[in-house]
Amino acid sequence: DAGVIQSPRHEVTEMGQEVTLRCKPISGHDYLFWYRQTMMRGLELLIYFNNNVPIDDSGMPEDRFSAKMPNASFSTLKIQPSEPRDSAVYFCASSPHSLYSNQPQHFGDGTRLSIL
Amino acid sequence: QKEVEQNSGPLSVPEGAIASLNCTYSDRGSQSFFWYRQYSGKSPELIMFIYSNGDKEDGRFTAQLNKASQYVSLLIRDSQPSDSATYLCAVGGKLIFGQGTELSVKP
Repeated sequence: DAGVIQSPRHEVTEMGQEVTLRCKPISGHDYLFWYRQTMMRGLELLIYFNNNVPIDDSGMPEDRFSAKMPNASFSTLKIQPSEPRDSAVYFCASSPHSLYSNQPQHFGDGTRLSIL
Repeated sequence: QKEVEQNSGPLSVPEGAIASLNCTYSDRGSQSFFWYRQYSGKSPELIMFIYSNGDKEDGRFTAQLNKASQYVSLLIRDSQPSDSATYLCAVGGKLIFGQGTELSVKP
């Protein structure tokens, strides 16, 4: 059974450029989460979806960030325009039918983003 | 006050000892609690979850939950060098994470 798949694994780009991170959740999982991890702030929840619908985006830092989930097998996190302070590891995770099941979130390998 | 707090460490224990990791949380209505292990450069990996007050044991790992004190802990018995990692406490279904505690097990 394939896990959560994220792409790209690494991204280096210049300030001001648009960045798009991609995620394919585990098949059958109803919830999808985007996290950002930095040394200073740790692992922060940005947004999560249930059945492709955004439920809570209160963690999205500002309007430069947007996330979509057009179908059950694909989600994107977009940053436009990017800034050096956006440099972090971005994780996507998915979980099954309930947020409180005994098999909670499965994480992808992450995208390491560097904005120069 | 942060929603989930952990001692950042580093916590250093000798091989074979018991490592004790602690976590407090602010939302009294929280129902689910998780411990994740994260090796350097890797993604978080679930190692324990607990919903009810008391202890839950799985191999060398024991999670302890005290909802009245809003406190959850993780004990690692017979610590091994391979246990050296950052341990993340997470609370709630959508997972609010603590900053993590770095554990180092010395041979």
